[in-house]
Amino acid sequence: AQSVTQPDIHITVSEGASLELRCNYSYGATPYLFWYVQSPGQGLQLLLKYFSGDTLVQGIKGFEAEFKRSQSSFNLRKPSVHWSDAAEYFCAVWGSGTYKYIFGTGTRLKVLA
Amino acid sequence: DAGITQSPRHKVTETGTPVTLRCHQTENHRYMYWYRQDPGHGLRLIHYSYGVKDTDKGEVSDGYSVSRSKTEDFLLTLESATSSQTSVYFCAIRGDRGSTEAFFGQGTRLTVV
Repeated sequence: AQSVTQPDIHITVSEGASLELRCNYSYGATPYLFWYVQSPGQGLQLLLKYFSGDTLVQGIKGFEAEFKRSQSSFNLRKPSVHWSDAAEYFCAVWGSGTYKYIFGTGTRLKVLA
Repeated sequence: DAGITQSPRHKVTETGTPVTLRCHQTENHRYMYWYRQDPGHGLRLIHYSYGVKDTDKGEVSDGYSVSRSKTEDFLLTLESATSSQTSVYFCAIRGDRGSTEAFFGQGTRLTVV
């Protein structure tokens, strides 16, 4: 069965500091992996995606993520966080055999000025 | 932005009444999804559709039914609303070729009193 774990419910970082949000997935075949961001009261916006090729993928707003098959992980990173990055972040896996997107429980990011 | 419209955007209803939420798309995408979002649970899949009249259950389908009589519309019905169904409901769509990510609507905030 597909599943996604985001072990950090809340993360607080100072503006300008680096950021890493963790995501672990479970899926029997090669997964399609995604990171979405949600600002308060808004829908979800895609940050980046991975389904094949280079394991380091670049996304919008300066975010990147690295797929590590051996660790079943797809962690999101940003070298220098801006106050506008404060939001909730969701990792998701899509199974080509199931047609379903399964999401993690989310990580809420707070940015200190 | 993907052409997804959810209606209504906000609704307050009484316990025991039926409620129908509508998701309308203008993208002619094959796959459509209904999720509910609750604090601490992230997004949980209620039902999804992989074509007209083709639907399947997600993780939290009890108390919900869906219908898809044409490509552009996916209806979610709460047969007899309960307070535990107070939530924010998101519709998402996905095409069947090319892009693999899901595009989300703006959500419907439902309160059952």
